[in-house]
Amino acid sequence: EAQVTQNPRYLITVTGKKLTVTCSQNMNHEYMSWYRQDPGLGLRQIYYSMNVEVTDKGDVPEGYKVSRKEKRNFPLILESPSPNQTSLYFCASSSHLAGGSYEQYFGPGTRLTVT
Amino acid sequence: SQQGEEDPQALSIQEGENATMNCSYKTSINNLQWYRQNSGRGLVHLILIRSNEREKHSGRLRVTLDTSKKSSSLLITASRAADTASYFCATDARASGTYKYIFGTGTRLKVLA
Repeated sequence: EAQVTQNPRYLITVTGKKLTVTCSQNMNHEYMSWYRQDPGLGLRQIYYSMNVEVTDKGDVPEGYKVSRKEKRNFPLILESPSPNQTSLYFCASSSHLAGGSYEQYFGPGTRLTVT
Repeated sequence: SQQGEEDPQALSIQEGENATMNCSYKTSINNLQWYRQNSGRGLVHLILIRSNEREKHSGRLRVTLDTSKKSSSLLITASRAADTASYFCATDARASGTYKYIFGTGTRLKVLA
């Protein structure tokens, strides 16, 4: 089954404690992305990756890091989480090759609370 | 922020009626996509319209695109209770030189049985 998985699904942590949210896709997609969703603000892109070892900033990259060492995985790292990073996070992937559909497949979301 | 906007923010209709929601965006685009989200779950892709297309249909969905006005509309015909969800438009910014995606703020649709 084609899918994007994220772990953990729920996380409560304290300010300053480094954390990683994992994302994995099984569709051999080149493009992967992280979004955060906050009430009234829709989805905002944090980082995206066009392929292995190629990453770039989205609209709200401050306080986040990513890496793309393998095509299927795209972890999101919060080195020193702060309460304003409390949010619902989504990972997504899509095919951006010529003739690709550009349709983004989304993971189920990770609800993060930073106290 | 380059965020797009949908209107209305919320829409409540009776089952069987049509629902129309609009999206405005700010940058040049290659394509525009519409997604549905059920209550805090992951988004599901509905339809994509390319910048050189003006109208596209998929089942009960009809999407229009007006690049001169930087706007799009999504029409859901003969709505069902199962269509209750939030709907988002998303634009890519490749025409502006990046591979970012910009999502709108969403329209919350409630279909009453």
